[in-house]
Amino acid sequence: AQTVTQSQPEMSVQEAETVTLSCTYDTSESDYYLFWYKQPPSRQMILVIRQEAYKQQNATENRFSVNFQKAAKSFSLKISDSQLGDAAMYFCAYRRKGYGGATNKLIFGTGTLLAVQP
Amino acid sequence: DTAVSQTPKYLVTQMGNDKSIKCEQNLGHDTMYWYKQDSKKFLKIMFSYNNKELIINETVPNRFSPKSPDKAHLNLHINSLELGDSAVYFCASSQGLYNEQFFGPGTRLTVL
Repeated sequence: AQTVTQSQPEMSVQEAETVTLSCTYDTSESDYYLFWYKQPPSRQMILVIRQEAYKQQNATENRFSVNFQKAAKSFSLKISDSQLGDAAMYFCAYRRKGYGGATNKLIFGTGTLLAVQP
Repeated sequence: DTAVSQTPKYLVTQMGNDKSIKCEQNLGHDTMYWYKQDSKKFLKIMFSYNNKELIINETVPNRFSPKSPDKAHLNLHINSLELGDSAVYFCASSQGLYNEQFFGPGTRLTVL
């Protein structure tokens, strides 16, 4: 069974600095998707960034980028120029790629609570 | 314009009661989901429907019964509520089985 592990329950960063959130996963599949979701205090789950496993290039979305190491099964999120609005719980998630109903479920890590200090 | 909406946002009830949470999406998606987030913030899928057909049913007690009257709605009915059912329940939707899932704002259920 696939699992997702986030080993940092809490992180803190100064405004305008850079922070990296860690995520590792376990799967026997060769093709899959990885995601980072942000959950601010409003509870809304917001997709931050997505990576397809067969793409070697790391995904980037403005100040957010990932370091995807397929062999190591590692998928970290880097937030550059941190802003107060980045304070939230961040979830790493995995989804199989393929056919059949079971492939569309997201498997989440336990989350990392990010605090941004002014 | 709310893409995925849930009602109610908060629900407080007594043990043993039966309650429903409603979900509606106006994105034209054909696949909808229910996730449960427990007190430790752990999120786990419960159900998934594609074109009103149940395709994922993770080992959820049969006190939980999802119902999809049409592709835009997926409701969750819970019988005989227990203390352990207290959680935040998220609805999500996607177009097809393999595209991005959009989440609703969540319903915080508290069972006393």
